[in-house]
Amino acid sequence: ETGVTQSPTHLIKTRGQQVTLRCSSQSGHNTVSWYQQALGQGPQFIFQYYREEENGRGNFPPRFSGLQFPNYSSELNVNALELDDSALYLCASSQVKGQFSYEQYFGPGTRLTVT
Amino acid sequence: GNSVTQMEGPVTLSEEAFLTINCTYTATGYPSLFWYVQYPGEGLQLLLKATKADDKGSNKGFEATYRKETTSFHLEKGSVQVSDSAVYFCALSMNRDDKIIFGKGTRLHILP
Repeated sequence: ETGVTQSPTHLIKTRGQQVTLRCSSQSGHNTVSWYQQALGQGPQFIFQYYREEENGRGNFPPRFSGLQFPNYSSELNVNALELDDSALYLCASSQVKGQFSYEQYFGPGTRLTVT
Repeated sequence: GNSVTQMEGPVTLSEEAFLTINCTYTATGYPSLFWYVQYPGEGLQLLLKATKADDKGSNKGFEATYRKETTSFHLEKGSVQVSDSAVYFCALSMNRDDKIIFGKGTRLHILP
């Protein structure tokens, strides 16, 4: 069973640029959630995708957007990067069946540095 | 809103010492509670969980009991090892809502 994978591992961008981060969910999982973890802080929920649609969003501006593909992999896009966007971005996948949602499994993260 | 508060670190202990990391929560309704661990350079791993009051989660010698009356979910281990050095996050999620709300994390250093 393949776990959650993310790419790239590290990324350096300049303020104002755009970035795309990628996540492959664990086999059999249909839901992907994205979290931002600033240095020394706990992860903060960005949004979740289920069946290719956004299914809940945290307190993040619209320049944070995402996609989920038919194979349940996902992308996180951030436009107009700001210095405060520097963080570890974590992806988590889970299985949702009807009213039941199961444990989220986290990937290793992408470390984004904005200069 | 819903939130989690955990003791600030770093916490430094000698090997074989007893560990407690305090965690309290605020939630409207009845959350599920979790402890996650993050080893250096790695992502988050679920350490243990409890889904209803008085449940005890346990794993790898760690335990935490869901206390509704004190809104707490303190993490304990009877004898820590150097390999337990990591950052520990207390977290909650509401039923039917996959969003996980994390505390700020507690860094644990175990000295040999």
